[in-house]
Amino acid sequence: DVKVTQSSRYLVKRTGEKVFLECVQDMDHENMFWYRQDPGLGLRLIYFSYDVKMKEKGDIPEGYSVSREKKERFSLILESASTNQTSMYLCAIENALNTEAFFGQGTRLTVV
Amino acid sequence: DAKTTQPPSMDCAEGRAANLPCNHSTISGNEYVYWYRQIHSQGPQYIIHGLKNNETNEMASLIITEDRKSSTLILPHATLRDTAVYYCIVRSPMNTGFQKLVFGTGTRLLVSP
Repeated sequence: DVKVTQSSRYLVKRTGEKVFLECVQDMDHENMFWYRQDPGLGLRLIYFSYDVKMKEKGDIPEGYSVSREKKERFSLILESASTNQTSMYLCAIENALNTEAFFGQGTRLTVV
Repeated sequence: DAKTTQPPSMDCAEGRAANLPCNHSTISGNEYVYWYRQIHSQGPQYIIHGLKNNETNEMASLIITEDRKSSTLILPHATLRDTAVYYCIVRSPMNTGFQKLVFGTGTRLLVSP
């Protein structure tokens, strides 16, 4: 069974805090993605990575950064959390052939 | 990547076939059509993908028109558990360079008893 594990299911943080969202996979897949999902806006791509230490901006990278030091782990960082970053965050993995993507269960982040 | 257009919502009776349309009139010759679905409170789940031929797996069938400008995802016997948002995505193959996986707003399918 494919495992994409996100570190927390629910998270509450204060405005201005530095927040780390972790995603770990056990499939040895090359591609990893971070999305956020908000009502009425669908899934929006924040960042993605196709290899260790490689990262590319998605459609809404502002206010976020990422880190991929090991193939199995892709971290999303909110340098200074703001209330407009309250959202559901989803991590996904995919092999290099783009056959199918697997998603984690999501982290619902609330910034107060 | 080509854009897709899907109806925002559809209804289906339990046990009947659910036919979900997708328009992708600007699709290029080497772009694939993918379908995912997202059940409430879960991450999206891959369903099926195809290039030009019709495809079938244990979850669904994908019918792509001959001109490839539209496709239909068919759930042959919808159940209440098929209630979800269905996303149609058009994407180039990997050998043309890394491709982002971008979702639109999808079709919300409601299956009723």
